[in-house]
Amino acid sequence: EVQLVQSAAEVKEPGESLKISCRGSEYSFTIYWIGWVRQMPGKGLEWLGIIYPGDSDTRYSPSFQGQVAMSVDKSINTAYLQWSSLKASDTAMYYCARHKDSRNQYGGFDIWGQGTMVTVSS
Amino acid sequence: DIVLTQSPDSLAVSLGERATINCKSSQTLLYSSNSKNYLTWYQHKPGQPPKLLIYWASARESGVPDRFSGSGSGTDFTLTITSLQAEDVAIYYCQQYYSHPYTFGQGTKLEIK
Repeated sequence: EVQLVQSAAEVKEPGESLKISCRGSEYSFTIYWIGWVRQMPGKGLEWLGIIYPGDSDTRYSPSFQGQVAMSVDKSINTAYLQWSSLKASDTAMYYCARHKDSRNQYGGFDIWGQGTMVTVSS
Repeated sequence: DIVLTQSPDSLAVSLGERATINCKSSQTLLYSSNSKNYLTWYQHKPGQPPKLLIYWASARESGVPDRFSGSGSGTDFTLTITSLQAEDVAIYYCQQYYSHPYTFGQGTKLEIK
């Protein structure tokens, strides 16, 4: 079964760093763009950006540029989203998702991870 | 950034009736070179990740019941659910992939009347 499996929920304090993961399985991980989507409590979906595992080409939303960093380790079919200094406002559910069409960004996200809840509180 | 505005924000429909959700874009999502509209629709239920329903504005994703359909072109799009079922209660989002950032609409909450 094609799937994305995300890392477990995290509870952190403001100022701490964090890296969450998203592992793909049962498909050619390197040829499908992976995106990250945020859902703050009680709010809608927000597009953070996308990364192409084949060459780590990355596109960020201007709203999140400099706030988060996306990376991949294609040797283990895993994408990452990281923060260097968390804020309380980063508290949210974070989803990774795969673009439907291989090698391009078309068709929306057809495969989603289960989500990673990040809670930032002192 | 392209702004997607959904209407209504919430909707209550009786079982077996039709539900219609609209999505209006601040810019055209129709790419003239291939005549395709770069818009998707998702269904999002509590405790689950979103689910892709429609892509290219009107193409139904594999496994999605045919009571779900998408229509529209350019800047105005519609998701229609004919014969509403109890399991269709969810929040529905449109998203554009015409230009970065690939923005979402604010969501429409669909409930049973």
